[in-house]
Amino acid sequence: NAGVTQTPKFRILKIGQSMTLQCAQDMNHNYMYWYRQDPGMGLKLIYYSVGAGITDKGEVPNGYNVSRSTTEDFPLRLELAAPSQTSVYFCASTPSGGIQPQHFGDGTRLSIL
Amino acid sequence: GIQVEQSPPDLILQEGANSTLRCNFSDSVNNLQWFHQNPWGQLINLFYIPSGTKQNGRLSATTVATERYSLLYISSSQTTDSGVYFCAVCESNFGNEKLTFGTGTRLTIIP
Repeated sequence: NAGVTQTPKFRILKIGQSMTLQCAQDMNHNYMYWYRQDPGMGLKLIYYSVGAGITDKGEVPNGYNVSRSTTEDFPLRLELAAPSQTSVYFCASTPSGGIQPQHFGDGTRLSIL
Repeated sequence: GIQVEQSPPDLILQEGANSTLRCNFSDSVNNLQWFHQNPWGQLINLFYIPSGTKQNGRLSATTVATERYSLLYISSSQTTDSGVYFCAVCESNFGNEKLTFGTGTRLTIIP
């Protein structure tokens, strides 16, 4: 099993550009999450999903959108990239919430210039 | 929301030394995980430990849920143990299982 796969690993964007960060898991997990990690900080939750067709905001959702059309995929979209969105983005999944450990991808390092 | 505090923020040790990292949280939890973030930025899942004690080689962890803290022990430190250690928790009274992370302990092991 590949686990949680994130693409791309690195990306540089210009201010105002848009892009989609991809996240896929092959473990048939219901719950998926997007976090961002700013330098020297812990991770903060952007959006999460408890199943296909269901998404909800986390702590820092502004400037992002998500969709969950399948169990496997949970893409994160930046519509108008801003320098404040320069960060490392992590996707995670878990079979169900709370009583199971979350499994993380390797992250996407995004720079907005 | 729940608050997660980790201490110390930074720790520098000689190779072979032992260390204890602490995680305090402000409310009841149904999930607690310890992660190691290596120099390449990868998050390595060390322990899933909402309560009790677990051991994995030179690492062990103890969570005392009633007193709202967890400890991560690293014995006979190696340079490969360097990195940032995060504690993350889910509050018990939520059904969405969102992890709240502490700000981490940066561990540096000197040869």
